Amino acid sequence: KQEVTQIPAALSVPEGENLVLNCSFTDSAIYNLQWFRQDPGKGLTSLLLIQSSQREQTSGRLNASLDKSSGRSTLYIAASQPGDSATYLCAVNTGTASKLTFGTGTRLQVTL
Amino acid sequence: EAQVTQNPRYLITVTGKKLTVTCSQNMNHEYMSWYRQDPGLGLRQIYYSMNVEVTDKGDVPEGYKVSRKEKRNFPLILESPSPNQTSLYFCASSPWGMDGNQPQHFGDGTRLSIL
Repeated sequence: KQEVTQIPAALSVPEGENLVLNCSFTDSAIYNLQWFRQDPGKGLTSLLLIQSSQREQTSGRLNASLDKSSGRSTLYIAASQPGDSATYLCAVNTGTASKLTFGTGTRLQVTL
Repeated sequence: EAQVTQNPRYLITVTGKKLTVTCSQNMNHEYMSWYRQDPGLGLRQIYYSMNVEVTDKGDVPEGYKVSRKEKRNFPLILESPSPNQTSLYFCASSPWGMDGNQPQHFGDGTRLSIL
């Protein structure tokens, strides 16, 4: 059974700092890995999707990497801003009916 | 605008009173799914549908029903709600494909409280 872990559970950084969020999964047989952002009272916003054949994806200040063999992914946020404050969720798609298995998230706070 | 729409957004009800949470998408996606989110447990899949009239159980289907009569709609039905179904519910959709390049789109969530 696939299990997804995100460390740390919470993180507070000053504005402007670069930061890394970690995601690990137990079964390397995945189709893709998706990073989401969740704001309080809102749904999930897809940030990046990395296919199993890819090593990384970039969107603006965000860069996500994938190391399938070691069961790890990282989300790198450059030059953090207060607007980046949210919970970040990692989810892996094992291809079994496209089910996403989620981690419990990292709650990020970027302070002024 | 491409979106997944859930209704209601909030509902407080009592044990045993049947309720339906609607989900509609305007992207012509084949695949739709329901998740519940609970503190410390993350999001867990309840049911999914790969196309019209095709549905199957996820990880936590007990106490729930779904139907997929039309491509755009995927309602979640709680026939006899109980307090342990108090949760935040999300509907998601994506194009169906096994090539690993299909991000899932989520609705804004429905917060259910069963008293």
